[in-house]
Amino acid sequence: DAKTTQPPSMDCAEGRAANLPCNHSTISGNEYVYWYRQIHSQGPQYIIHGLKNNETNEMASLIITEDRKSSTLILPHATLRDTAVYYCIVRALIGSSNTGKLIFGQGTTLQVKP
Amino acid sequence: DSGVTQTPKHLITATGQRVTLRCSPRSGDLSVYWYQQSLDQGLQFLIQYYNGEERAKGNILERFSAQQFPDLHSELNLSSLELGDSALYFCASSPHQFGVTGGHNEQFFGPGTRLTVL
Repeated sequence: DAKTTQPPSMDCAEGRAANLPCNHSTISGNEYVYWYRQIHSQGPQYIIHGLKNNETNEMASLIITEDRKSSTLILPHATLRDTAVYYCIVRALIGSSNTGKLIFGQGTTLQVKP
Repeated sequence: DSGVTQTPKHLITATGQRVTLRCSPRSGDLSVYWYQQSLDQGLQFLIQYYNGEERAKGNILERFSAQQFPDLHSELNLSSLELGDSALYFCASSPHQFGVTGGHNEQFFGPGTRLTVL
């Protein structure tokens, strides 16, 4: 699985958009970008994933650059409850060489401030 | 609530002891994953089971073992405990079917068991 690079921490004002970057310059053509978050010692929570098109769900939007070497997770209106560690993970789909395990990096600690 | 349950929530024990952590996956999920989260190592994958069979191993110590039972619940056994085994242990489940390629395998994590070894 490709390695990812994320800033260790970021701040965001409550109500503003939080933009969390992730670099994955060695991503392969069959690898997806996944985002999970972990709110203070709780179990990680799936947010969103994508291949090359931008994706949006009720939690967030995912913007992937055309060369797929980086992506940005956008929380459109951050709230205090969005304070968490956000993990960007690059992984191929389930197949013979991928059992589905997640390899977590250090993630980005997002602090949403009032 | 992810639908994954873990017991106990907290566990305090002494060095050299043995403990068992239990995980009940979401209804219908066949895959169970165990992860360890310590302050210095972050979240690390330990082991995965699918429908009762071991499927993948990560950085799991030989002192640790796991199994998945016919009712799909899983147990993680930690023996000869050391101070450094103190950590949060998470279980996750997913519905993906082995042999079916293309699955995205969203994982649902339990609340974790906090193990303290004194």
